[in-house]
Amino acid sequence: QKEVEQNSGPLSVPEGAIASLNCTYSDRVSQSFFWYRQYSGKSPELIMSIYSNGDKEDGRFTAQLNKASQYVSLLIRDSQPSDSATYLCAVNIYDQAGTALIFGKGTTLSVSS
Amino acid sequence: ETGVTQSPTHLIKTRGQQVTLRCSSQSGHNTVSWYQQALGQGPQFIFQYYREEENGRGNFPPRFSGLQFPNYSSELNVNALELDDSALYLCASSDSVGETQYFGPGTRLLVL
Repeated sequence: QKEVEQNSGPLSVPEGAIASLNCTYSDRVSQSFFWYRQYSGKSPELIMSIYSNGDKEDGRFTAQLNKASQYVSLLIRDSQPSDSATYLCAVNIYDQAGTALIFGKGTTLSVSS
Repeated sequence: ETGVTQSPTHLIKTRGQQVTLRCSSQSGHNTVSWYQQALGQGPQFIFQYYREEENGRGNFPPRFSGLQFPNYSSELNVNALELDDSALYLCASSDSVGETQYFGPGTRLLVL
């Protein structure tokens, strides 16, 4: 069973702080990794995709990938109350049956003003 | 550019009934995936369609079935509904297999 693991949280940070969200995955051959944000009652929206080892920055968000450790993280700088949501890590899995995007259970982030 | 749309937004069914959920993919996208999201859980992969063929299936029973049409829109059918089928059903499209998926607003299904 190919799995994606995240701490469910809640992760609480004050406004302006850095929030760090972590994810590990079990499938060594996975090549594409995604972070989605999901507000309560809404559908997931893409924050970032990452395919290569190292860091990828987009505004206040930085995704980090370490394939050797099977580890993906998301840093949110200058956290805002509007960042309060559930963050979902997702990994593309390829097998004989085809492809699947496997999600973790999500980490709930709460940013207090 | 039109995003992913789903219908209906909400649905109430009783146990044993059948349901069909619909999804229109984003313009230019030929791949559609369906997910079930129970409360407090991450989305669980049901299956994926690429150019009208099933291209991967998660751990769901055969009473979950799907179709993709020539215009790349898709349907999810669930037969013999059970109480545990109550969930948010999400459709996502991408411009090819393995590429970034973009989600529709979802259909919330309640089975009584």
